[in-house]
Amino acid sequence: SQQGEEDPQALSIQEGENATMNCSYKTSINNLQWYRQNSGRGLVHLILIRSNEREKHSGRLRVTLDTSKKSSSLLITASRAADTASYFCATDDYNNAGNMLTFGGGTRLMVKP
Amino acid sequence: SQTIHQWPATLVQPVGSPLSLECTVEGTSNPNLYWYRQAAGRGLQLLFYSVGIGQISSEVPQNLSASRPQDRQFILSSKKLLLSDSGFYLCAWSGAAGLNTEAFFGQGTRLTVV
Repeated sequence: SQQGEEDPQALSIQEGENATMNCSYKTSINNLQWYRQNSGRGLVHLILIRSNEREKHSGRLRVTLDTSKKSSSLLITASRAADTASYFCATDDYNNAGNMLTFGGGTRLMVKP
Repeated sequence: SQTIHQWPATLVQPVGSPLSLECTVEGTSNPNLYWYRQAAGRGLQLLFYSVGIGQISSEVPQNLSASRPQDRQFILSSKKLLLSDSGFYLCAWSGAAGLNTEAFFGQGTRLTVV
């Protein structure tokens, strides 16, 4: 079953605008990660936030984590057409011995030039 | 540096034929290995994961099986493909349990069962 669920499922914005994607999960986690997938390709890791962290930045990316609400958000600032892709959150379940990642359904982001 | 190889990139197979997808990892030891399936426009469904040679956990009952004959080799197989096995298959590896590590993905195999 899905652990992380992204919201919205699809997002269309103009270049230069900010894009915000949300992720909700159900169980206790070690960390939460965000990945990007270009169409027909493998996933690429963007950023990892540990369960004891509340916010993390990497370039134009800002991730927040609220463990009390079991939710995370990914903000992409000053978006570019090249940011067009699907974005997935993934949780590393605290109870899994194998460091198994569980992915959500993803948000398809389109940035119009 | 670590790399992951997954092949083939695309595959068209008739219903009832066998399947073997291979994934190998270089530059790391004792990785956790994963097979995911992705339906068009959807998220990733975990099929199998492995924490060591010969250790395979299956997440969903299905027509597929996985094997890990060597530390850095993960194989996805089927004896007889079904139409519903079509999809985009992704292999991935990550560090051992207890570490806050990311997953590294292969480029995927697009399987079409006809």
